[in-house]
Amino acid sequence: DTAVSQTPKYLVTQMGNDKSIKCEQNLGHDTMYWYKQDSKKFLKIMFSYNNKELIINETVPNRFSPKSPDKAHLNLHINSLELGDSAVYFCASSQGETASYNEQFFGPGTRLTVL
Amino acid sequence: DQQVKQNSPSLSVQEGRISILNCDYTNSMFDYFLWYKKYPAEGPTFLISISSIKDKNEDGRFTVFLNKSAKHLSLHIVPSQPGDSAVYFCAATVSSNTGKLIFGQGTTLQVKP
Repeated sequence: DTAVSQTPKYLVTQMGNDKSIKCEQNLGHDTMYWYKQDSKKFLKIMFSYNNKELIINETVPNRFSPKSPDKAHLNLHINSLELGDSAVYFCASSQGETASYNEQFFGPGTRLTVL
Repeated sequence: DQQVKQNSPSLSVQEGRISILNCDYTNSMFDYFLWYKKYPAEGPTFLISISSIKDKNEDGRFTVFLNKSAKHLSLHIVPSQPGDSAVYFCAATVSSNTGKLIFGQGTTLQVKP
């Protein structure tokens, strides 16, 4: 009975390809996030959506585009993949927007490897 | 420019002893701090948090201490158990900001039986 799920768990692809990572939460939360964990292990927020509306958009290349078809899903599409995109991508969700009052629940991560 | 830093990449302690994980931050606007725990192949899970109006918060075996003047917080686990072996992430936020958590790079804790 997974709360936040991501597919695929592993993704290996060639430079220049376009790929998507899907995220779904069954917690009834209003807010969803994408984080990137780089080679130095820092977890950095990329985007967040609240009720399908973009509320956080960090300095991320335009090749990354989040899509929220409904409040239970937040997918991440990446165009023209580059070597530096190799990382672990985590999806998360929370009931509200404010981090101090709303615990963020994380998915298991998607390890993306760009060759 | 990393605003939240965990300078010890790893820590090893004996079962039953105290584990102390440290975290430093640079942004004086941060007013809420969290610790997350992460097992391999899983996402981080929330462990404990503290508001800047407090200097200590306790939850069972876990206690977080905040020293605002030093911009330092620590997580104490007493007594440590083998099941506590995981990566621990410190995170900070400005509570008026929407959901933006700034994470450190994590400390891997190994508790030896």
